[in-house]
Amino acid sequence: AQSVTQLDSQVPVFEEAPVELRCNYSSSVSVYLFWYVQYPNQGLQLLLKYLSGSTLVKGINGFEAEFNKSQTSFHLRKPSVHISDTAEYFCAVSDPRWFGNEKLTFGTGTRLTIIP
Amino acid sequence: EPEVTQTPSHQVTQMGQEVILRCVPISNHLYFYWYRQILGQKVEFLVSFYNNEISEKSEIFDDQFSVERPDGSNFTLKIRSTKLEDSAMYFCASRGLHQNTGELFFGEGSRLTVL
Repeated sequence: AQSVTQLDSQVPVFEEAPVELRCNYSSSVSVYLFWYVQYPNQGLQLLLKYLSGSTLVKGINGFEAEFNKSQTSFHLRKPSVHISDTAEYFCAVSDPRWFGNEKLTFGTGTRLTIIP
Repeated sequence: EPEVTQTPSHQVTQMGQEVILRCVPISNHLYFYWYRQILGQKVEFLVSFYNNEISEKSEIFDDQFSVERPDGSNFTLKIRSTKLEDSAMYFCASRGLHQNTGELFFGEGSRLTVL
């Protein structure tokens, strides 16, 4: 079984400041890792993903995340946030063995609020 | 850009009533999913659907739940007799045949409130 922990339920950040949203996972097998974002009144949208290869992955809107296998983490970062980054951010994992039957396991989400 | 659409956006119902949530997945996608998020909790997997049958379902997806693809475009989630604890945001998702990376395309969600 897999699980995802997002310790920070809410993160307020001043505009143009850097931000890191934390994600830790637990799994007995290798996993695919994802960050999804949900803007107000919208659906979940893929921000970035780690499948294999380089541990630093870049996503949309200037976000990036680093996969750390030893710490089982996949923290999301942005060097300078904008008001438009206000949203709920979800970390998720899936088991690559379940080809054709992907079942994402999500964290509880982190609400990022940008302060002008 | 193609997107997954869901209706209704919000439904309020009385306990014990039947509810049908509708989804129109992206047109060339073949794998369909329902997830739900109870307020303040995790987004949870409910069911996956492929080739007109359920591929996998979670413990949440009991006999009160059913899914159907009644035509070539819609994918529905039916709750036969709603309970208070069914109040949640329900997300539909889909993916294409050759996307084996776990990336799903989600709709905006349908908020169900059971009174």
